Amino acid sequence: AQSVSQHNHHVILSEAASLELGCNYSYGGTVNLFWYVQYPGQHLQLLLKYFSGDPLVKGIKGFEAEFIKSKFSFNLRKPSVQWSDTAEYFCAVIPLSNFGNEKLTFGTGTRLTIIP
Amino acid sequence: EAGVVQSPRYKIIEKKQPVAFWCNPISGHNTLYWYLQNLGQGPELLIRYENEEAVDDSQLPKDRFSAERLKGVDSTLKIQPAELGDSAVYLCASSLGARVGTDTQYFGPGTRLTVL
Repeated sequence: AQSVSQHNHHVILSEAASLELGCNYSYGGTVNLFWYVQYPGQHLQLLLKYFSGDPLVKGIKGFEAEFIKSKFSFNLRKPSVQWSDTAEYFCAVIPLSNFGNEKLTFGTGTRLTIIP
Repeated sequence: EAGVVQSPRYKIIEKKQPVAFWCNPISGHNTLYWYLQNLGQGPELLIRYENEEAVDDSQLPKDRFSAERLKGVDSTLKIQPAELGDSAVYLCASSLGARVGTDTQYFGPGTRLTVL
């Protein structure tokens, strides 16, 4: 079964620092990749997604992620974080299959705390 | 556009009691998902509906959990009887239904269940 690993459980940064959150998955076939964010007290919402094409994808609020197929990774980045980026970030992967039972698998999440 | 609506937002019950959660998906979304999110974990799929048909319920513990989606719109997830280990957040999501692998899933706020 596929799995998604987010090794950083809790990251604490100061405002204006650069951010990189790691995401690795285990699945040998074609996958679609997502980053979701959950702000305090709010529901999960899509930050960005990668299906195909340019492996560097841009999302909302200045976030971007790079798909490196050889490393099975989809790391999230932001050059300069803001206090409002404090949230929980989830990487999710869905292996594509011809059998219809595609299932979105989430990592355990990374809690990001930005210090003003 | 209204998002995915869930109720109740919070529920506290004693073990062995029944409990039900309700979900109203985004209008026009044919696919509906129920996820379970334990503390410190990412969401895990319980069941997926395509219209009124449950097409993936392989992760639903059928001895105590049941779900329905009458008329292919609203859905109810039930636990009977609840156990202490069922304490978690139950998330509902919906998507257009073109294909699970490429659909963006939109999440509701979740129902936080506490079993005493």
